[in-house]
Amino acid sequence: AQTVTQSQPEMSVQEAETVTLSCTYDTSESDYYLFWYKQPPSRQMILVIRQEAYKQQNATENRFSVNFQKAAKSFSLKISDSQLGDAAMYFCAYRRNSGNTPLVFGKGTRLSVIA
Amino acid sequence: DGGITQSPKYLFRKEGQNVTLSCEQNLNHDAMYWYRQDPGQGLRLIYYSQIVNDFQKGDIAEGYSVSREKKESFPLTVTSAQKNPTAFYLCASSTRTAHTPSGYTFGSGTRLTVV
Repeated sequence: AQTVTQSQPEMSVQEAETVTLSCTYDTSESDYYLFWYKQPPSRQMILVIRQEAYKQQNATENRFSVNFQKAAKSFSLKISDSQLGDAAMYFCAYRRNSGNTPLVFGKGTRLSVIA
Repeated sequence: DGGITQSPKYLFRKEGQNVTLSCEQNLNHDAMYWYRQDPGQGLRLIYYSQIVNDFQKGDIAEGYSVSREKKESFPLTVTSAQKNPTAFYLCASSTRTAHTPSGYTFGSGTRLTVV
């Protein structure tokens, strides 16, 4: 069974600084997708960024980028120029590329942004 | 606008009672999912359904039941057999195109409290 591990239960960052959230996963599959979701205090889940495993280029969405290391099974999220609105729970998730298989989530990292 | 609706937002149940959480989507998505969220536990899969009239157990299905009689609806019943039902419940849906898998579209969640 696939597993997703987020080793940092809590992180903090100064406003305007950069922070990196870690995620590792375990799978025997070669074709899959990885996601980062944000859950603010409203508890609405928001997709931050997605990475296809077959793509070597790291995904980027504005201030958010990932460092995808397939051999190491690592998928970290970098947030640049952190803003107060980035404070939230962040979940890393894995999905096998086969039909509508469920996402497997990590336990999350709570990010605080200090003004 | 298309979306996924969970109701109610807050639900209180007496011990020993069954309760049903509603999840409706008008996105024409094939698959629907139920997750449970507890502090420090991330999102854990309860049940999922990839097509109408079919569903599969997730990692923590004991004490829960579901039905998928219509594509739009995937209600979750929390039975009296669920030993610790107080939690935040998230419903999600997804679809797959020929080339680009999607992540999920999430509902806004239901907070269930047993009193």
